[in-house]
Amino acid sequence: DSGVTQTPKHLITATGQRVTLRCSPRSGDLSVYWYQQSLDQGLQFLIQYYNGEERAKGNILERFSAQQFPDLHSELNLSSLELGDSALYFCASSGLQGYEQYFGPGTRLTVT
Amino acid sequence: SQQGEEDPQALSIQEGENATMNCSYKTSINNLQWYRQNSGRGLVHLILIRSNEREKHSGRLRVTLDTSKKSSSLLITASRAADTASYFCATVKTGANSKLTFGKGITLSVRP
Repeated sequence: DSGVTQTPKHLITATGQRVTLRCSPRSGDLSVYWYQQSLDQGLQFLIQYYNGEERAKGNILERFSAQQFPDLHSELNLSSLELGDSALYFCASSGLQGYEQYFGPGTRLTVT
Repeated sequence: SQQGEEDPQALSIQEGENATMNCSYKTSINNLQWYRQNSGRGLVHLILIRSNEREKHSGRLRVTLDTSKKSSSLLITASRAADTASYFCATVKTGANSKLTFGKGITLSVRP
């Protein structure tokens, strides 16, 4: 158990809908990262937050947004969903000094 | 975009044998990390090697790094059936905070 929690585990929704994925980092970790894993694109970095502020952006679509709250949990919002957004979405956290990232179990999103 | 390219893409060995996986990358890095992923689950951090290190050990794992060739190898000695998983190398580029760029992964099957 990495100490990173993600909810929900599974999500099935229709095209055009909007969903919110939630992540709680390990206790004390200030950085939260979001990744998307799909068969064709592999593991792609989406976005990083550090102590509530956006720190780095990767291949995140404009339809996607994220935020990190004062209690350090983070949410990834996906809107106007398309079939191609079906994937595993992982959240990871890391501490102040470490480069190692600790991954949550992921949310499997299926868009039908 | 993928930074690391693992080789081979798939590896099947007998329990007790050693498994060697290779990773190449393109840009200068701060560090390189190896992660393991069991089917459809979260990634688990295995080992981190910094750009000024050449070799590192952790239990049955041995990682080498050759920055002149921009390559790394992960050796798992005395493999077990429980080592069956996908293995990813990930790099942190120089000056790119702690964002990880993953390769496509290697599927390791250890036959009992």
